[in-house]
Amino acid sequence: NAGVTQTPKFQVLKTGQSMTLQCAQDMNHEYMSWYRQDPGMGLRLIHYSVGAGITDQGEVPNGYNVSRSTTEDFPLRLLSAAPSQTSVYFCATFLDAENYGYTFGSGTRLTVV
Amino acid sequence: AQKVTQAQTEISVVEKEDVTLDCVYETRDTTYYLFWYKQPPSGELVFLIRRNSFDEQNEISGRYSWNFQKSTSSFNFTITASQVVDSAVYFCALSEAFGNYGQNFVFGPGTRLSVLP
Repeated sequence: NAGVTQTPKFQVLKTGQSMTLQCAQDMNHEYMSWYRQDPGMGLRLIHYSVGAGITDQGEVPNGYNVSRSTTEDFPLRLLSAAPSQTSVYFCATFLDAENYGYTFGSGTRLTVV
Repeated sequence: AQKVTQAQTEISVVEKEDVTLDCVYETRDTTYYLFWYKQPPSGELVFLIRRNSFDEQNEISGRYSWNFQKSTSSFNFTITASQVVDSAVYFCALSEAFGNYGQNFVFGPGTRLSVLP
């Protein structure tokens, strides 16, 4: 049981490049989310999903796309990276109301130059 | 709108001292959840506690205790006899209702705790 697995752990991109941050979970959790963490701002929600085939925007969705074709995977795509997207990205999941509380992946540190 | 304030940006204590991390929240909802997470230097986020708005009982878990007071909209976290391993950034978070499926899971800015040997 690996929990929530994020890859890569570190990434450097040039402005304008695209990439996908991977998130996979083996806990059969329906709810998955992507957050970004910036100094002094806590974590902010980018996109979330309540199940396969269903996604919606969070607080800061601009510049990011997501899809949820399976329960296990929830990739985050940056279509054209910008320096403002330099951040630490966390994928998080939870099961249901009785187990309400996020389990986070280990994070991806992204730098856009 | 909901909001979480952690007024203490950084705290330094000497090992074995007690330390309290403050969390003040704002919400218009009557049903909500409050959380604390720990982020050690390694970077991962570790779930510590969840409290729902109908349960005002204080909770103790080993050296950790939490004081939830709806009258002051506070959910403070105390570490007793602090240890160097407690050094981390601690986040308080608020979610207005499970029915929003975590959409409104709002984090405070965090408090960096340094425990010196």
